[in-house]
Amino acid sequence: DQQVKQNSPSLSVQEGRISILNCDYTNSMFDYFLWYKKYPAEGPTFLISISSIKDKNEDGRFTVFLNKSAKHLSLHIVPSQPGDSAVYFCASHRDDKIIFGKGTRLHILP
Amino acid sequence: DSGVTQTPKHLITATGQRVTLRCSPRSGDLSVYWYQQSLDQGLQFLIQYYNGEERAKGNILERFSAQQFPDLHSELNLSSLELGDSALYFCASSVGDGTYTGELFFGEGSRLTVL
Repeated sequence: DQQVKQNSPSLSVQEGRISILNCDYTNSMFDYFLWYKKYPAEGPTFLISISSIKDKNEDGRFTVFLNKSAKHLSLHIVPSQPGDSAVYFCASHRDDKIIFGKGTRLHILP
Repeated sequence: DSGVTQTPKHLITATGQRVTLRCSPRSGDLSVYWYQQSLDQGLQFLIQYYNGEERAKGNILERFSAQQFPDLHSELNLSSLELGDSALYFCASSVGDGTYTGELFFGEGSRLTVL
């Protein structure tokens, strides 16, 4: 029972352009949504989060949007840089349980 | 460096065997989480401990068990190993004091190969 779904296994974006990573969820009872970034041979690292009561949260080049009616969230990276090439995981948080999606591999092209 | 330490980094064993993975959380963190990442799978939540007590359980098999000790380090025990148990096992920690918003600090993982 996957509660958080990332339907795109991979995404390629030109350097300098906007990267948009998407995530859908099935259960509305979450406190926070989060995005994590993972490089090979490393553990995931926290990137940005959004409270379930907000629509948008911004941190530098990273913005997360939450559309509660569509049960959808997205991560925008502007402008995309070579170091952004990684696997991005969407996750939901409720009652100390954090459920992750399968991840989207982002390739930033030169 | 997240401050979370996992040992061993790599482990190769045979089917039917038992292994123990160890995790030391960040200094001051009371919560420890275990996740499994298999090929083409996301991070599957296994179990969470807070200050020595089990707090949340995910898709953890009965052959697997975990505990958190008084010094807050945690161990994940995997027994009667099967080929399908081959995966990367991550430990993560957080403060877990109620103000926490979902940010976890992950170790580098323990890669288990079952032959």
